[in-house]
Amino acid sequence: AQSVSQHNHHVILSEAASLELGCNYSYGGTVNLFWYVQYPGQHLQLLLKYFSGDPLVKGIKGFEAEFIKSKFSFNLRKPSVQWSDTAEYFCAVIFNDYKLSFGAGTTVTVRA
Amino acid sequence: GAVVSQHPSRVICKSGTSVKIECRSLDFQATTMFWYRQFPKQSLMLMATSNEGSKATYEQGVEKDKFLINHASLTLSTLTVTSAHPEDSSFYICSPLGGTEAFFGQGTRLTVV
Repeated sequence: AQSVSQHNHHVILSEAASLELGCNYSYGGTVNLFWYVQYPGQHLQLLLKYFSGDPLVKGIKGFEAEFIKSKFSFNLRKPSVQWSDTAEYFCAVIFNDYKLSFGAGTTVTVRA
Repeated sequence: GAVVSQHPSRVICKSGTSVKIECRSLDFQATTMFWYRQFPKQSLMLMATSNEGSKATYEQGVEKDKFLINHASLTLSTLTVTSAHPEDSSFYICSPLGGTEAFFGQGTRLTVV
């Protein structure tokens, strides 16, 4: 069955630390990949997406993600986090239609 | 960016009553609308997909007679939770599809007492 896995449930780190959130999916076909962020009390917002082309995708707010097809992964990274990056992060995948399948989410807490 | 308005943001209702949630795309037209439900500490689960002017398609395990979806126009879709019970308490999120990108409402926290 098609699924999306996020490895970390809760990540706590200090400002200026580097962040990497894992995302894996199970499907051998063509996929579209997304990372969304939900700040406290706000809508889900798109951070970045990958449809095709360069597997290293740059998004908003200094985030980037790398699609590694052989590993079925789409990990999110940020070299130096800020307190304002405290949020819930969701990896999502479109497998073979317009429907988004979401991972369980990772809560990121950045301590000042 | 695209603006999505979902109302109400919070609602508390008595068991057995019905609640209507509205979702509007304010600056774009959405032929397709997704409705999600999110339980605490869990991911968003797709409930149904609706296309403007057509009946909604429900995911397995979602009761279509309980969760009524109306998508009568390209800018408005509604979800009505009928005869709500405490187990329907959850966070409901609409997601209109604008072109190839999905946008999200701010969600509705439903509490059934």
